[in-house]
Amino acid sequence: AQKITQTQPGMFVQEKEAVTLDCTYDTSDPSYGLFWYKQPSSGEMIFLIYQGSYDQQNATEGRYSLNFQKARKSANLVISASQLGDSAMYFCAMREGRGTGFQKLVFGTGTRLLVSP
Amino acid sequence: ETGVTQTPRHLVMGMTNKKSLKCEQHLGHNAMYWYKQSAKKPLELMFVYSLEERVENNSVPSRFSPECPNSSHLFLHLHTLQPEDSALYLCASSQDTRTDTQYFGPGTRLTVL
Repeated sequence: AQKITQTQPGMFVQEKEAVTLDCTYDTSDPSYGLFWYKQPSSGEMIFLIYQGSYDQQNATEGRYSLNFQKARKSANLVISASQLGDSAMYFCAMREGRGTGFQKLVFGTGTRLLVSP
Repeated sequence: ETGVTQTPRHLVMGMTNKKSLKCEQHLGHNAMYWYKQSAKKPLELMFVYSLEERVENNSVPSRFSPECPNSSHLFLHLHTLQPEDSALYLCASSQDTRTDTQYFGPGTRLTVL
């Protein structure tokens, strides 16, 4: 079963508008972390934002915010005031577990965002 | 240099060649990772090193051989690869393997002819 689901293969948004990229996850572990990464055409995966499962407030980093709905197991990324440079692939990822062992990061299939002038 | 660097950025090799990918992190981290990114597939974890010891080998074929001589450097040695091994190979590092955010390098785009 897929642990991270990104249902939008592609999204379009006009410059200066806000856009929401969807991510749902599946875990039975009470302790987990959720990440969003941006991958421009150059290939580098750029860390954007992190949300811990016990965090009471939604994470924010500049124009990025994470709409964390724990009961629905969703962790949508909201980008406000889109810029042309936001055009890229966006990946949602989850880290499960607590303890001394290695904690694996599982990625979704990504959403390609295109920002138009 | 800052962050995580990878060389070469692009590599074309024949199936009988031997080549190596290099990753270096300048973040003072203790854990390093190799990932494979193929078209239309999620990122696949290949290897994990923590304090220079391999802690995860995700059923990767033996034609991929990792090496971690110290906590700042990670290599992926390649030999007798197949065309299906063509992909973007990404290196990442984190402070530890348990809770910390992973930071990625720019990747090596590998083409196997």
